[in-house]
Amino acid sequence: DAGVIQSPRHEVTEMGQEVTLRCKPISGHNSLFWYRQTMMRGLELLIYFNNNVPIDDSGMPEDRFSAKMPNASFSTLKIQPSEPRDSAVYFCASSLELAGFNEQYFGPGTRLTVT
Amino acid sequence: GIQVEQSPPDLILQEGANSTLRCNFSDSVNNLQWFHQNPWGQLINLFYIPSGTKQNGRLSATTVATERYSLLYISSSQTTDSGVYFCAVERQTGANNLFFGTGTRLTVIP
Repeated sequence: DAGVIQSPRHEVTEMGQEVTLRCKPISGHNSLFWYRQTMMRGLELLIYFNNNVPIDDSGMPEDRFSAKMPNASFSTLKIQPSEPRDSAVYFCASSLELAGFNEQYFGPGTRLTVT
Repeated sequence: GIQVEQSPPDLILQEGANSTLRCNFSDSVNNLQWFHQNPWGQLINLFYIPSGTKQNGRLSATTVATERYSLLYISSSQTTDSGVYFCAVERQTGANNLFFGTGTRLTVIP
């Protein structure tokens, strides 16, 4: 079975540019999570979708960040305009939430560098 | 949020040695997962263990939810075990995301 798929794996961009990160969750999973990993803050949640609906976006840093899940097979995280402090590894994870069971599986991550 | 503390922060082992990693959390949880982040950055699921004990080869884990801690045991360590081990918990209340500890960085030397 294919795991969580993320693209691109690496992205280098200049400050001010728009960046779009993509995620395909595991087929059949009903929850999708975007996390960010930095040296200073570790791994932290940005936004969580359940059945394609955003449930908790309290971790989204500011209005420059937006996320969508148009269908069960695809999600995007967009940063516009990007800033150097957005440099981090962005992980997408998915799970099948069922009667309290909620094991999350992570994609390989997108390493973003903003210069 | 919930506090997740891992110890030790760093650990160096000789190949073949055993080790115990600890995770303490500050509130009741629905779920707990252990991950291994390998040197390439990938997060690999080790255990989904909200309570009880599980074993998988040389690794085993125990969670005592009532006392708010979990332990990860690594026996007969190998150089491929090197990396960072994360504990992550899902709170009983609120959204179903994971809160991560700061990790234990393990280095296994031949």
